Amino acid sequence: ETGVTQTPRHLVMGMTNKKSLKCEQHLGHNAMYWYKQSAKKPLELMFVYNFKEQTENNSVPSRFSPECPNSSHLFLHLHTLQPEDSALYLCASSQALVGTSSQETQYFGPGTRLLVL
Amino acid sequence: AQKITQTQPGMFVQEKEAVTLDCTYDTSDPSYGLFWYKQPSSGEMIFLIYQGSYDQQNATEGRYSLNFQKARKSANLVISASQLGDSAMYFCAMRTNTGNQFYFGTGTSLTVIP
Repeated sequence: ETGVTQTPRHLVMGMTNKKSLKCEQHLGHNAMYWYKQSAKKPLELMFVYNFKEQTENNSVPSRFSPECPNSSHLFLHLHTLQPEDSALYLCASSQALVGTSSQETQYFGPGTRLLVL
Repeated sequence: AQKITQTQPGMFVQEKEAVTLDCTYDTSDPSYGLFWYKQPSSGEMIFLIYQGSYDQQNATEGRYSLNFQKARKSANLVISASQLGDSAMYFCAMRTNTGNQFYFGTGTSLTVIP
């Protein structure tokens, strides 16, 4: 497989469930990102990892817990979510956080469409 | 303060015509990067074009070009010879050095009319 993959593509969960979103990149990149895309709102950057280390956490509630075991894999663990957390969750990767155009361009996965009931 | 502003929620263009999608940005960082992405109904964000703040020339990628006016803080996307497959949401984004942040606009929905 090539590019950035995300599983599952669709997820329905209750507010008491625990689930995890998975992202895998096959591009040899060092930085990975989680974004939330809600209807009629700008894409929101949630977490940034660089060389497996978390560099940014944009005031995301603790019910979202990221994990980056290596530079190719990124998880988003979900626990006791709220209905307003329903959204498209996008994962992205880039060669570097900052650099030349090719280094810092982010490539996105297809997203996980999450519905919280 | 909103970092990226896209003032056109929806745009229509005739097939084979050119269209300009507007984007203005706000940052005090001297070094930043500007990006345009396309998001079809399938949901995946597709990278189109990049402009660095120190780049002297406007970026071009095939039918896409970026009209970069630094003093005005604008980075408009020009799509030439529109095709039906260009119908999608288009997002302008900015990377800033401060805090390693990445900001997206609210997007413009482009519809290409046959």
